[in-house]
Amino acid sequence: DTEVTQTPKHLVMGMTNKKSLKCEQHMGHRAMYWYKQKAKKPPELMFVYSYEKLSINESVPSRFSPECPNSSLLNLHLHALQPEDSALYLCASIRVAGGDEQFFGPGTRLTVL
Amino acid sequence: KQEVTQIPAALSVPEGENLVLNCSFTDSAIYNLQWFRQDPGKGLTSLLLIQSSQREQTSGRLNASLDKSSGRSTLYIAASQPGDSATYLCAVSSNDYKLSFGAGTTVTVRA
Repeated sequence: DTEVTQTPKHLVMGMTNKKSLKCEQHMGHRAMYWYKQKAKKPPELMFVYSYEKLSINESVPSRFSPECPNSSLLNLHLHALQPEDSALYLCASIRVAGGDEQFFGPGTRLTVL
Repeated sequence: KQEVTQIPAALSVPEGENLVLNCSFTDSAIYNLQWFRQDPGKGLTSLLLIQSSQREQTSGRLNASLDKSSGRSTLYIAASQPGDSATYLCAVSSNDYKLSFGAGTTVTVRA
């Protein structure tokens, strides 16, 4: 199984809503990532969890709150988002740090009204 | 800071022609280089991973070369098909966790 899954596929939310994005992998990977991708741009790194601990936060606003409950699961909690946060949110994982192939999920298309 | 550049930004070829996509990076101290394919609105699919000690990798019609000293990689796609139409991204790993992405080359293969 070389798959990273993400739910939901699409999400529409208002600026006062609270929602969560979910990512799962069952490849035994120990590092998991959240990226944000705007149209016609490459992915931008948001967060990295390594061995279930937050190791990188790329100065992301606090309205995005990551959580890694276990080694297979990564969540991104959303609250009080802005319309400019509308984007494709991608999850990725690697076996261990350094030198490994990174696998991406299909993404969640988020629209903030 | 690692800078990754992909040329050309867009490419349109007739079916059957070979594709050549270029990627350059500024810092040769890399762990690996990865080529991805992305269809519109979808996630990234890993095509090839080249470790820093390797010169090339092949998978089916795809071949990627790496010249670390000159900071270049080239992705060759033989005998292109309309199904190869997508955006191709190269990404370089220069430390334990982060990938530096190029802006991508958008390929259209005309039937």
